[in-house]
Amino acid sequence: AQSVAQPEDQVNVAEGNPLTVKCTYSVSGNPYLFWYVQYPNRGLQFLLKYITGDNLVKGSYGFEAEFNKSQTSFHLKKPSALVSDSALYFCAVRDPSNFGNEKLTFGTGTRLTIIP
Amino acid sequence: AAGVIQSPRHLIKEKRETATLKCYPIPRHDTVYWYQQGPGQDPQFLISFYEKMQSDKGSIPDRFSAQQFSDYHSELNMSSLELGDSALYFCASSPSGRGYEQYFGPGTRLTVT
Repeated sequence: AQSVAQPEDQVNVAEGNPLTVKCTYSVSGNPYLFWYVQYPNRGLQFLLKYITGDNLVKGSYGFEAEFNKSQTSFHLKKPSALVSDSALYFCAVRDPSNFGNEKLTFGTGTRLTIIP
Repeated sequence: AAGVIQSPRHLIKEKRETATLKCYPIPRHDTVYWYQQGPGQDPQFLISFYEKMQSDKGSIPDRFSAQQFSDYHSELNMSSLELGDSALYFCASSPSGRGYEQYFGPGTRLTVT
């Protein structure tokens, strides 16, 4: 079974400071990992993904994430936070070694608040 | 750029009624996914279709059914609605191939009274 853990329900960061939103995963094979952002009453918006290759992946709006296989982590980062980054962030995993497995399994989400 | 379209955006039904949610994927996306997000919860996978065939199934109640049509749009049919079915229902689409990300629609907010 595949699963994702987001250990922090809430993260508060001052505007201009670096931010990190944590994610750890569990799959039987090599994972496909994704980050999505959700604004109030809106759908999930894709930020970035790790499939293979370079452990540091860059995505939309200046976000990046680092895949760490030994720690089974995929933390989301941004060097300088903006107030507009305030939203709900979901980490998701998919196990491609599981034939017929199409679904994304999401973490419980982390609410990021950027303080002006 | 074209996005996933869902209709209706809001739906209010009474217990034991039926509801049909529609999803129109991004052009040239042949895979459609349905997710349910309860209040304050993460999205839960319901079912997916590839080339009009069911490709994966999650925690979808027997009261729900879904299909994908020849134009790749999909419909989620929900019968004997219960209060607990009140949620945000998302449709997502992607091209076929395991490395592609899923693009989500704005969701249909279903309220069962």
